[in-house]
Amino acid sequence: QSALTQPPSASGSPGQSVTISCTGTSSDVGGYNYVSWYQQHPGKAPKLLIYEVSKRPSGVPDRFSGSKSGNTASLTVSGLQAEDEADYYCSSYAGSRVFGGGTKLTVL
Amino acid sequence: EVQLVESGGGLVQPGGSLRLSCAASGFTFSTYSMNWVRQAPGKGLEWISYINSRSTTMYYADSVKGRFTISRDNAKNSLYLQMSSLRAEDTAVYYCARASGNAMLRDAFDIWGQGTMVTVSS
Repeated sequence: QSALTQPPSASGSPGQSVTISCTGTSSDVGGYNYVSWYQQHPGKAPKLLIYEVSKRPSGVPDRFSGSKSGNTASLTVSGLQAEDEADYYCSSYAGSRVFGGGTKLTVL
Repeated sequence: EVQLVESGGGLVQPGGSLRLSCAASGFTFSTYSMNWVRQAPGKGLEWISYINSRSTTMYYADSVKGRFTISRDNAKNSLYLQMSSLRAEDTAVYYCARASGNAMLRDAFDIWGQGTMVTVSS
């Protein structure tokens, strides 16, 4: 059982927006602004999308955005594209480093 | 090009040992902290170990503490994971991942290798 809770699946049509949640506790997500998000295509290594809740590394499109409210962090993908179909993982500092169970995003 | 390349995975019997390596290139390896993260088949990501740039601080997940040892050789731009007393539940793809800053486990993982598969089975 993962430390952080994500919905197993999410979906949206091209051009739409979809939000993926990541729920933890006051000991991880709620206690620190060190939430990151990763995208993983099948058979590939994870790729950093968002760090420190809402910051984007160079090269990540601004269609990807992050936020946090209380013990829940969120990743929003705007203007969905076919290549956004992938697994998405959240992660938080919690004394150690914990991950969510992952969300499979399907572009309809 | 910034790159991490893992090697050393394979099939090992329960109770056996294996040493993974991660070769870094395209950046100043000696100034970055590094991590190992694993992913069991069809499962999510699990952080397992951290080492700072000078090898003075190491952390381990409870699931591997006492069995796995992380180390690095900055002269060789290489990261290692010595795994012993291996169990079936250690079967996974093992990734090395660079820490994005100097905030220890607060940092995100900004560069990942392609992974190496470890299978523990008799």
